Amino acid sequence: DTGVSQNPRHKITKRGQNVTFRCDPISEHNRLYWYRQTLGQGPEFLTYFQNEAQLEKSRLLSDRFSAERPKGSFSTLEIQRTEQGDSAMYLCASSPLSVYGYTFGSGTRLTVV
Amino acid sequence: DAKTTQPNSMESNEEEPVHLPCNHSTISGTDYIHWYRQLPSQGPEYVIHGLTSNVNNRMASLAIAEDRKSSTLILHRATLRDAAVYYCILYSSASKIIFGSGTRLSIRP
Repeated sequence: DTGVSQNPRHKITKRGQNVTFRCDPISEHNRLYWYRQTLGQGPEFLTYFQNEAQLEKSRLLSDRFSAERPKGSFSTLEIQRTEQGDSAMYLCASSPLSVYGYTFGSGTRLTVV
Repeated sequence: DAKTTQPNSMESNEEEPVHLPCNHSTISGTDYIHWYRQLPSQGPEYVIHGLTSNVNNRMASLAIAEDRKSSTLILHRATLRDAAVYYCILYSSASKIIFGSGTRLSIRP
């Protein structure tokens, strides 16, 4: 297993377009998390899944954002009608069902122009 | 969510030990103390975690105060590659990790 994989690494899109990011977690990890990070700030929690169930969503996750994890494997994060304020690094992480640490991917950097 | 307090920044010299402090006076009995670090342009990386006893691994050591209201991450011999933002986080398996602003560690050659 090569860790958590995120694609694409970079995405430039025009304002108003829809974008979708993919995260492939470590295969034996039950939990999958999405975070957003802007320059100079710590990562902000967006949502997390336990297997295929989405257990929690942050208030930061407006109705333009949707995340899925079909069959409890990979996950996608879609942003509809992107705005310039959506420009950020989107990070995915996975963890086992325990207090052990998360494994993060390298992130997808989104730039909305 | 229980909060942690860390200095905004610290500097250290290469090949010297580094002690990164963290205060967490509102820690609950089920909270583990986790440390992550984030190198430039990378996702956060798990460093170490503990509950009550001091912990060692290949990356660092974690010293936890007896009352658990503070902890210290110890890098035994800093290298330039240790320059990063270090986050101290309280975590229980029923919750998710909430990041603060962390400590930006700079290493002088």
